[in-house]
Amino acid sequence: ILNVEQSPQSLHVQEGDSTNFTCSFPSSNFYALHWYRWETAKSPEALFVMTLNGDEKKKGRISATLNTKEGYSYLYIKGSQPEDSATYLCACPQGYKLTFGKGTLLTVNP
Amino acid sequence: DVKVTQSSRYLVKRTGEKVFLECVQDMDHENMFWYRQDPGLGLRLIYFSYDVKMKEKGDIPEGYSVSREKKERFSLILESASTNQTSMYLCASSPVTSGIPTDTQYFGPGTRLTVL
Repeated sequence: ILNVEQSPQSLHVQEGDSTNFTCSFPSSNFYALHWYRWETAKSPEALFVMTLNGDEKKKGRISATLNTKEGYSYLYIKGSQPEDSATYLCACPQGYKLTFGKGTLLTVNP
Repeated sequence: DVKVTQSSRYLVKRTGEKVFLECVQDMDHENMFWYRQDPGLGLRLIYFSYDVKMKEKGDIPEGYSVSREKKERFSLILESASTNQTSMYLCASSPVTSGIPTDTQYFGPGTRLTVL
C-alpha cells in the first residue's frame, strides 16, 4: 500500500490569514498527485492534478506546488475565507485506484 | 457536469440485515469505486470496477461484495451488516482518457450508514 501522509491533521485560522499544508508521498515511481476539497455535506471535488516536478497550479486563492524528487506537495490558501473551511485531501494513483491521505481539516473563523 | 448519485444520504439498519448501497453515474465512465470514510482513518477503498461485471478488491473488502451489471451502476452489498460497518460510504467514478494515473475521480454525496 502506498503511504500518503498529510499534515497537519487540522488547522484553525482567522478570516484573512494565509495558510498552507503538506502532502508527502513516496518519490519513487511517481505518476501524479491529486488534491481534493471536501466540504461538509457535499461531495469531494477535485482541485488539481499535478504531474511534473516543479509544477505550480492555481485556482482563485488556492495554489499548489509539487516536488517529486523529495516527495511532497504544498497547498496554499491566500486570504482564507469561511467558505474555505473543508477537509483537503491529497491522493496518489496506484494502478486504477487512488490512495488518499487522511486529510487536513481547515476551519476558518470569521 | 458529471453527476454521481447515491441512493440514500442516511440509512439506519440492524445487525444482520442485508444492505444495498446503489451508485449511478451519468458520464459513461469506465471506472467506479466504493470508499468508506471514518474519523482519523481517511478514505479507504473497499472495491473498484474497471468494466461491467469486472471487480477488484480494494484495501478493506472484508464483509462487502459488489455488483456491476450495467456500466452506469455500481452496487455495494453488505451481506450481513455489523456495527463496525457504521460509516460514511462514498462512491466515485472516473474516465479512462489521458492515462489512468491522472484521471480525476468524481464523487457522490455519500451515504451515512448506521448499523444498530
